[in-house]
Amino acid sequence: GQSLEQPSEVTAVEGAIVQINCTYQTSGFYGLSWYQQHDGGAPTFLSYNALDGLEETGRFSSFLSRSDSYGYLLLQELQMKDSASYFCAVREVSWSSASKIIFGSGTRLSIRP
Amino acid sequence: NAGVMQNPRHLVRRRGQEARLRCSPMKGHSHVYWYRQLPEEGLKFMVYLQKENIIDESGMPKERFSAEFPKEGPSILRIQQVVRGDSAAYFCASSPRYLAGGELFFGEGSRLTVL
Repeated sequence: GQSLEQPSEVTAVEGAIVQINCTYQTSGFYGLSWYQQHDGGAPTFLSYNALDGLEETGRFSSFLSRSDSYGYLLLQELQMKDSASYFCAVREVSWSSASKIIFGSGTRLSIRP
Repeated sequence: NAGVMQNPRHLVRRRGQEARLRCSPMKGHSHVYWYRQLPEEGLKFMVYLQKENIIDESGMPKERFSAEFPKEGPSILRIQQVVRGDSAAYFCASSPRYLAGGELFFGEGSRLTVL
């Protein structure tokens, strides 16, 4: 089976740094993605890691360790607008070689002034 | 430069009626994915389609739910004889032929309420 585990809620202070962890278990694995979703809105893509290591995109960075089936999203210089839900997602290979993306249950990030 | 278009944005149905949700992928995208999201929960995979072909429907209930992506026109997610438990937001996402970089482009969702 497939499963992704991430904390349900995280609270942080404006201007600080926060890390959201994700562990996954899947039968076939291509890579780990992160998405952001504001209340009532559509999920939007943040980052993708196919190889081990850190990918940096502005204030956001994402890390992957394939051997540990683990990744994290790092948000720096937090702003109030970063208050949202964050989902890790795995790109999974199936028997037909077609790949689909499976999402975790999400981490609700609340930013305090 | 239209993104993924979903309609209707909001749909109210009574128990036993049918719900049809439509999704037009981004221009140039030939793959469509449907996800269901309950309040305060994650995105649950339902079905993955290419034009005229269902690739993976492992997340879709065997009864009452069906999906199609015809050669012409939008992808349709159809829910027959709706029940209250079908109330949710249904998101459609699209990707180019090859899912490079793991990026899906999402529509704004269709919010179904079953009375």
